[in-house]
Amino acid sequence: DIVVTQSPLSLAVTPGEPASISCRSSQSLLHRDGYDYLDWYLQKPGQSPQLLIYFASSRAPGVPDRFRGSGTGTDFTLTISSVEAEDVGLYYCMQGRQTPQTFGQGTKLEIK
Amino acid sequence: QVTLVESGGGMAQPGRSLRLSCAASGLDFRSYGMHWVRRAPGKGLEWLAVIWSDGTNIQYADSVKGRFIISRDNSKDTLYLQMNSLRVDDTAIYYCATADPAVSMRILEKWGQGARVTVSS
Repeated sequence: DIVVTQSPLSLAVTPGEPASISCRSSQSLLHRDGYDYLDWYLQKPGQSPQLLIYFASSRAPGVPDRFRGSGTGTDFTLTISSVEAEDVGLYYCMQGRQTPQTFGQGTKLEIK
Repeated sequence: QVTLVESGGGMAQPGRSLRLSCAASGLDFRSYGMHWVRRAPGKGLEWLAVIWSDGTNIQYADSVKGRFIISRDNSKDTLYLQMNSLRVDDTAIYYCATADPAVSMRILEKWGQGARVTVSS
């Protein structure tokens, strides 16, 4: 199975400041179709997960443009350009390159 | 607006069975792939299973293979997860999620609110 490792596992950010989460996979997520099969999901407190980013850098409909995904191969990053209070929750990356699809451990974002 | 509503959760003893349902609305259900994902207490998300739109292709995580069965009834816009031989470590919130094959069967686009399953003696 592809192992996906996130870091850090938690971070506290002042509103208005940027935040970055790293995701590394044990194998390349780049498919021959040219896409990296790496998604980012956010689970806000008391809610179900929601899709933020797919194919490593494509924002899902309705996701604010302060969220940006980057990277290719085995190294990926989710960047929030200016954190807002509503961004608190657990962030997960997930690889869809191989079955079973596997999630990172999750990164808890809190507001300072 | 896509809505997914899970039901059928509850408590069960180890070794018993439960069946979860996921009723979909606001989408052409028969055109979408569907996934099950769970989150155990204090743990992260775990992908469990996927079924293609016509039900012909099914895949499972090793942790549930041989015990859980994913299925769908496109005439009822409903997805199912038959959970047999339940174990204490199956205790979790179970989510269904859509996948648009026009984009990728691997992207979990819309999620339900979750169904809580507790396995305990």
